[in-house]
Amino acid sequence: QQKVQQSPESLIVPEGGMASLNCTSSDRNVDYFWWYRQHSGKSPKMLMSIFSNGEKEEGRFTVHLNKASLHTSLHIRDSQPSDSALYLCAASKGSGSFNKLTFGAGTRLAVCP
Amino acid sequence: AQTIHQWPVAEIKAVGSPLSLGCTIKGKSSPNLYWYWQATGGTLQQLFYSITVGQVESVVQLNLSASRPKDDQFILSTEKLLLSHSGFYLCASGQANTEVFFGKGTRLTVV
Repeated sequence: QQKVQQSPESLIVPEGGMASLNCTSSDRNVDYFWWYRQHSGKSPKMLMSIFSNGEKEEGRFTVHLNKASLHTSLHIRDSQPSDSALYLCAASKGSGSFNKLTFGAGTRLAVCP
Repeated sequence: AQTIHQWPVAEIKAVGSPLSLGCTIKGKSSPNLYWYWQATGGTLQQLFYSITVGQVESVVQLNLSASRPKDDQFILSTEKLLLSHSGFYLCASGQANTEVFFGKGTRLTVV
């Protein structure tokens, strides 16, 4: 069973609309959450990270984290066709000397003009 | 700035043939290095990690092996490919609890 669950599997939003993506970890030992974006045929690139309860905003992107429920969400406002991609959520533990990222299966976002 | 160069960009190989994929990191000394694999339509999985030259740890068993012959080089290989090895292989670099940077990947098709 996936330790990082993402929903929905796919999402279609109109250009200029709001996209909301969800992610929950079933591993209570994780401390850090990451959101990566992967365009078709390309490698993933980190969008945002969050380690503390609350909200973090960068431009059109806002990420929320509730550490008690190990739930994070990514919200994209004023969505653009270039935002169409696979969005991957990942979680990692705070201890250790290497980065053991566990990825979810992703949410495929399509932004329609 | 850190750069990750992977080779080859793409490979088509026969079942049972050997494979060697490479990765070179520039702009970062003594990096933590990782190999990831993504089956078509599948989840990104970490295969191996290496904290230092000569030391590689396996995370997922897929009948593959990895080596780190130099500080800036990471190699993924197998002597006999299986159909199930097809997918997108990504080399990555990143210290604990920091951003992981990915190379551009190698797309492998086993026929």
